[in-house]
Amino acid sequence: GAGVSQSPSNKVTEKGKDVELRCDPISGHTALYWYRQSLGQGLEFLIYFQGNSAPDKSGLPSDRFSAERTGGSVSTLTIQRTQQEDSAVYLCASSLESGGGTGELFFGEGSRLTVL
Amino acid sequence: GIQVEQSPPDLILQEGANSTLRCNFSDSVNNLQWFHQNPWGQLINLFYIPSGTKQNGRLSATTVATERYSLLYISSSQTTDSGVYFCAVRSYGNKLVFGAGTILRVKS
Repeated sequence: GAGVSQSPSNKVTEKGKDVELRCDPISGHTALYWYRQSLGQGLEFLIYFQGNSAPDKSGLPSDRFSAERTGGSVSTLTIQRTQQEDSAVYLCASSLESGGGTGELFFGEGSRLTVL
Repeated sequence: GIQVEQSPPDLILQEGANSTLRCNFSDSVNNLQWFHQNPWGQLINLFYIPSGTKQNGRLSATTVATERYSLLYISSSQTTDSGVYFCAVRSYGNKLVFGAGTILRVKS
């Protein structure tokens, strides 16, 4: 597709279960970001992948959160042993980066996670 | 890390009015974007403007990088302009950092 694609669009899970959220970036984009937005709040950075460089994981809130990006394209964000405070919209973005990071970010429509 | 401050936090306009939203940032940047988050949560790119001035219809933006601020102008506001406006900046090689946003309500 032409834009950033995320799935599932909605996920309801029980506390303690693991969830996986998927992001398919715009074709050819070298950088991929995950952000989280809780209800009525701003965007919280989680993790950033750029090409073959080591990812910037500085925003991951706990060791229950992990992400990988396979083949420099699709990314999966995994949340283990979900807690109610993990309920939020998880947003993925991608950009075509040049040296020094100057690409424009484009966001997907997000995955809304509800932990009961 | 870089700090981003947006003002005002809330704004209520009568349809047809003009407004200016401000974004201040604490360090040199090589990327600045303005987004509109509509009531359905979708983030829409408005401007990619690390410096200079751009216009798109009723919206325009100016970034003065040397003074570390950017302005978003909305003219002849419409109810469909309602939502949250985010400024996001990036310093060299680092992640994109978002401001807290300005909540805009346009009343008919």
